[in-house]
Amino acid sequence: GAVVSQHPSRVICKSGTSVKIECRSLDFQATTMFWYRQFPKKSLMLMATSNEGSKATYEQGVEKDKFLINHASLTLSTLTVTSAHPEDSSFYICSARDPFFRDRENGYTFGSGTRLTVV
Amino acid sequence: EDKVVQSPLSLVVHEGDTVTLNCSYEVTNFRSLLWYKQEKKAPTFLFMLTSSGIEKKSGRLSSILDKKELSSILNITATQTGDSAIYLCAVEATSGTYKYIFGTGTRLKVLA
Repeated sequence: GAVVSQHPSRVICKSGTSVKIECRSLDFQATTMFWYRQFPKKSLMLMATSNEGSKATYEQGVEKDKFLINHASLTLSTLTVTSAHPEDSSFYICSARDPFFRDRENGYTFGSGTRLTVV
Repeated sequence: EDKVVQSPLSLVVHEGDTVTLNCSYEVTNFRSLLWYKQEKKAPTFLFMLTSSGIEKKSGRLSSILDKKELSSILNITATQTGDSAIYLCAVEATSGTYKYIFGTGTRLKVLA
C-alpha cells in the first residue's frame, strides 16, 4: 500500500533558527501533498496544499513566509519553519494520496508526524 | 467557509458501553467523508463514506452517512480501553484541488 515517510519524528531547536521537515512518498508519486498542524488535544488544521512543480496553496491565516513549502519532485515535499519561535511548537503531519487511486478506498496516507519544540 | 463539526468534543464511558460519535459538515463540492482514529501519532484510517444510507462495518465499529442531513455517525459497540483515542472526521472536498477538512475531533476515553 501507499507509504508516506516523514522525517524527523522529533526535533528541538532554538528560537530564531529554521527547521526543515521532509515528507516522502515511498512507493508512489504524489503530485499533491498536504501539510497539517495539530495543537495539543485539538484536531488537524490544514496549513497548505503542496503542488509538485508549482507554488503551494496556503490556507487563510497561515504565513507563507514563515512556513516555506517546497515540492520539487513527485516524491518529496518539505516544510521549513523559518525563524522558529516557541509558539511554533506543535505536531506537524503531512499526507498524500496515490494519484492513480490504488488506495482510493483508504483515503489519504499520513506521515508519522514531526513534533517540533522550540526553546 | 467549509466547516466540519464533531460532537461531543469529549466522552468518558466504561468498558462495554456503546458510543455514537457525530460529524456534521458544510462544504462546497462534497466528495467523501472519512473517519480516522488517532492515538499517539498519525491518524489511522477507519472508514470512507460516499453514499448515503449504506452502513460500513468493521468489527465493533460501524459508520453511516446521511447526505440529506449533511452528517455521519460512528458507532462503537462493546467499547474496550483500547478504543480510547481521538476520533477524527474529515470531509474530502474539491475547490480546485481535492483536500481534507478535518473536524474538531472527539476525544474518547474508555475506563476499565
